[in-house]
Formats: sequence, structure tokens, C-alpha cells
Amino acid sequence: QKEVEQDPGPLSVPEGAIVSLNCTYSNSAFQYFMWYRQYSRKGPELLMYTYSSGNKEDGRFTAQVDKSSKYISLFIRDSQPSDSATYLCAMTEDTGRRALTFGSGTRLQVQP
Amino acid sequence: DTGVSQDPRHKITKRGQNVTFRCDPISEHNRLYWYRQTLGQGPEFLTYFQNEAQLEKSRLLSDRFSAERPKGSFSTLEIQRTEQGDSAMYLCASSLALGQTLYEQFFGPGTRLTVL
Repeated sequence: QKEVEQDPGPLSVPEGAIVSLNCTYSNSAFQYFMWYRQYSRKGPELLMYTYSSGNKEDGRFTAQVDKSSKYISLFIRDSQPSDSATYLCAMTEDTGRRALTFGSGTRLQVQP
Repeated sequence: DTGVSQDPRHKITKRGQNVTFRCDPISEHNRLYWYRQTLGQGPEFLTYFQNEAQLEKSRLLSDRFSAERPKGSFSTLEIQRTEQGDSAMYLCASSLALGQTLYEQFFGPGTRLTVL
């Protein structure tokens, strides 16, 4: 079993919809939780990160972490066709190495 | 462009050949990571450097793989005797490491390797 599980999708929604993406994980040592966006044939780009449990909002994006359930979510409000990409959750421990453990990514398609 | 750059962007090679990839991190970043991403999967950690010191190697990094970061600037990843299973996107990321603060890892565009 992988340390981080993520539904691969694809997820297809109409423009303007609220999108919910999520990951579950098994390693209780993870303390930093991140969401990356990756367009086709590009490197991942950091969208948001959260330390420990809680919520964080940035524009149309909200990240939630529930460490008791080992479950993290990313919500995208008023989704746009330009949001069409693969969304990767990533996590790391609160140690020096900071190497990221990624989920497999969810492919999102926002239909105009 | 002051981001992370990788060269080449694409590499096609025959099984058994050696290949070398280069990563140029953001200039003030002292930490550099290599990841591998196969189709439909997220990136997997391979190794990382703090300045010129290679501090950790994943079990994914077999003895056919070697990475260097001379002088703590650019890094190279070499794969010897390539196998078809080595076909993947090789991603480089750089970041700052100052005390316990987490700084963002900035990723390069990747080098896509195809082993025939």
C-alpha cells in the first residue's frame, strides 16, 4: 500500500463548479501538506501548503488538513478552464530532509 | 529566466547506453532534489543535496544511478546501462534550507527519458 493515496480521476466539471480533491495518507509523521498543480509536460507548481491540521485559504483555493483522519482536501471555487491540470498532493515530515512524498495525482478537466 | 532549468528536455536512447542529465537550480538555493515521475504517477524521491553534499539516496536509486553536485551549484544525474524501466520524467527541484523553516521546492520542467 502506498503512503499517500489519491484518486486518479479524471474528474470533469463544468466551468464555475466547486471542485473537491482529496488524499489520504498512512504516515503519521507527515506534518507539512502541499498541493501542486502540474500541466502536461511541465514540472509541478506549488499551489498551497499547510502545516499540521487546519484550513488555509488563498483566493479561489482552500486547503484542509485533518490529521486525526489522515485526510487532506483541496477545494477550488468558481473553477475555470485554465484550472484543467493534474493536481498532486504532497507531504513531508518535520525533519531536515524535506523530501516530498506525492500522491499519484488527480486529472481535472473544467469544461467551458 | 531565473527558475530551475534542466537539460536536455527530451532524451531517447537505446537500452544499455549511458545518459546524463543536468539541472541548474535557482542560484541562491542550497538544496537540490531529484525525483522520478512515471506516467500516471506522482514524482518519487531519488536523492538530495545540501550544497555539494549528497545527504540521502532513495532505495529507488540503484547502483546504475549516480548524482553529483560539484561546488554546490548545478547537478548531474547519470544513468549507466539504461534499461527500459528507466523510461520516465526526471525532475529536479531546488529550495532554501535555513533552520527548521520549510521553503518551497521549485521544480524544473523535467527531462523525459525514453529507453528503446
